[in-house]
Amino acid sequence: DAGVIQSPRHEVTEMGQEVTLRCKLISGHNSLFWYRQTMMRGLELLIYFNNNVPIDDSGMPEDRFSAKMPNASFSTLKIQPSEPRDSAVYFCASSPNWAGGAQETQYFGPGTRLLVL
Amino acid sequence: AQSVTQLGSHVSVSEGALVLLRCNYSSSVPPYLFWYVQYPNQGLQLLLKYTSAATLVKGINGFEAEFKKSETSFHLTKPSAHMSDAAEYFCAVSGGNTPLVFGKGTRLSVIA
Repeated sequence: DAGVIQSPRHEVTEMGQEVTLRCKLISGHNSLFWYRQTMMRGLELLIYFNNNVPIDDSGMPEDRFSAKMPNASFSTLKIQPSEPRDSAVYFCASSPNWAGGAQETQYFGPGTRLLVL
Repeated sequence: AQSVTQLGSHVSVSEGALVLLRCNYSSSVPPYLFWYVQYPNQGLQLLLKYTSAATLVKGINGFEAEFKKSETSFHLTKPSAHMSDAAEYFCAVSGGNTPLVFGKGTRLSVIA
């Protein structure tokens, strides 16, 4: 069974450009989480969804960031306009049904390494 | 509110030696506790988790962790380190309606 799929794996862009990161959940999973990892701040939860509905977006840095789930198996994280301080590794993770209990395991994708020049 | 403190950002052990990675948590509700491992240029992978059943939890690759409520700890151990154990290890806590809160991570180096 395929795991969480993220694309692209690497992205280099210039300041001011729009960046779109993509994530495909594991089949049958209902919960989706977006994280950002940097040396300075570690692993931060940006937003999470359950059954396509955003539950908590308090971790989204600012209005330049937006996330959507257009269908049950796919999500995008968009940064517009991008800035150098957005450079990080972005992970998505899926879970069978996080609302069913906080003990549910999250399954991580391989991440997208973003560099904004 | 929940939080996790991992003591030691970098731990170095000799091959064959005991691995001990420390994690202390804070939680206002009964916690669920997790250890994840991250190999270079990869995502996080679950090692083990505590979900209020047995306090001693066994995971993959010979790792185990013991939940100690009185000490608010969930330390990760492995009797004998292998070179392939070199990675970043993250402790995380969740509970109630709060999703995972991760610690800063501990980088484990294994010396031949």
